[in-house]
This record gives sequence, structure tokens and C-alpha cells, in this order.
Amino acid sequence: KQEVTQIPAALSVPEGENLVLNCSFTDSAIYNLQWFRQDPGKGLTSLLLIQSSQREQTSGRLNASLDKSSGRSTLYIAASQPGDSATYLCAVRTSGSRLTFGEGTQLTVNP
Amino acid sequence: DTAVSQTPKYLVTQMGNDKSIKCEQNLGHDTMYWYKQDSKKFLKIMFSYNNKELIINETVPNRFSPKSPDKAHLNLHINSLELGDSAVYFCASSQGQGAPGNQPQHFGDGTRLSIL
Repeated sequence: KQEVTQIPAALSVPEGENLVLNCSFTDSAIYNLQWFRQDPGKGLTSLLLIQSSQREQTSGRLNASLDKSSGRSTLYIAASQPGDSATYLCAVRTSGSRLTFGEGTQLTVNP
Repeated sequence: DTAVSQTPKYLVTQMGNDKSIKCEQNLGHDTMYWYKQDSKKFLKIMFSYNNKELIINETVPNRFSPKSPDKAHLNLHINSLELGDSAVYFCASSQGQGAPGNQPQHFGDGTRLSIL
């Protein structure tokens, strides 16, 4: 059974800092890994999707890496801004197209 | 706008009632999903349909019954609502399922269900 863990559970940083969010999964037989952002009381916004054959994806100040063999992914946020404050969710897609989610990292960027 | 849309956004009802949540996507996707996010913010899949056919049915009480009249719609009906059903329910869609099914899933804004 696939399990996804995200560390840390919460993170508070001053504006401008670079930061890394971690995601690990127990079963490396994944099709892809997706990072989402969830704002309070809102739905999920897809940030980055990494296919199982890829090592990283970049979008603006975001960079996500994937090490499938070790069951790890990181989301790197450069030059953080208060608007980046949200909960970041990692999810892996396995057979049958289901997404298994981690519990999220709640990020607060202080001005 | 192209999107995954859910109605209602908020649902407050008494224990024991029957209620439905509707979901529609106009992205042309062939696979739709229902996820439940509990009070601890943990998201877990409940059901998935591909071209109106049920492909994922997690350990969910029989009181929950999904219905897909066409591939653009996936509704969720809940009978005899219980206090533990209070959660946020998210609908999602994607193109393709199984291998190579590597397309991202797109989520609706959620339906916040509160049982009194």
C-alpha cells in the first residue's frame, strides 16, 4: 500500500528566503508525482507534474525534483513571497490512476 | 471558463438526511474522481469513473453512491448522513487512466459538508 509523507508539517520563513519542502513515498512504482497548492477554504491548484521518467520540472520560482528509486521528491521555492503562504500537497499517481496524497506542509512566509 | 465545477459549495444539513453533490467538467476528460478531505486536511480517494465506468471504489460505506450519467458528469449521493461525513469533498478529472495515463488531475473548489 502506497504511503506518502511530507516533512515538515509546518514551516515559517521570512520573505525572500529560499526553501525546500520534502515528500517521500513507500512504493516506487509510480506513474507521476504532482505538487499542489491549497489556500485556506479553497480547492487544489496543480503546480508541477513530474513523470516517472523525469528528474525535475521547473515553473517560475518553483522547481520540483524526483528520485523515484529512493522514493523522494522535493519542491524548491526560490525568493519566497507572502503570497506563497499556503498548504503544499504532494501526491503520487499509481495503478488505476488513483492519487495518494501526503498530509501537506503548511507554509507561512512572513513579510 | 474551462474547469471542474462542483455544486453546492457549502452544504449544511441534519444527520439522517440524504443529499447529493454534483460535479461537471468541460475539459473533455474521460476520467473523474471523488476525494474526501477530513478535518486533518488529509485527502483520500473515494471513487473514480472512466467513460462512465467505475474503476476505483475504495473502502467507502454503501451510503455513498456515485453516478456518472456521462463522462462529463460525476455526482455523489449520500444516504442517511452521519456526523463523521462532515468533510470537504473534492471532484477531479483527468485524461486517461492507468498506464500510460500520465496526465495531471484537475480539481474543483470543493464542497464543504457539515452535518448537524
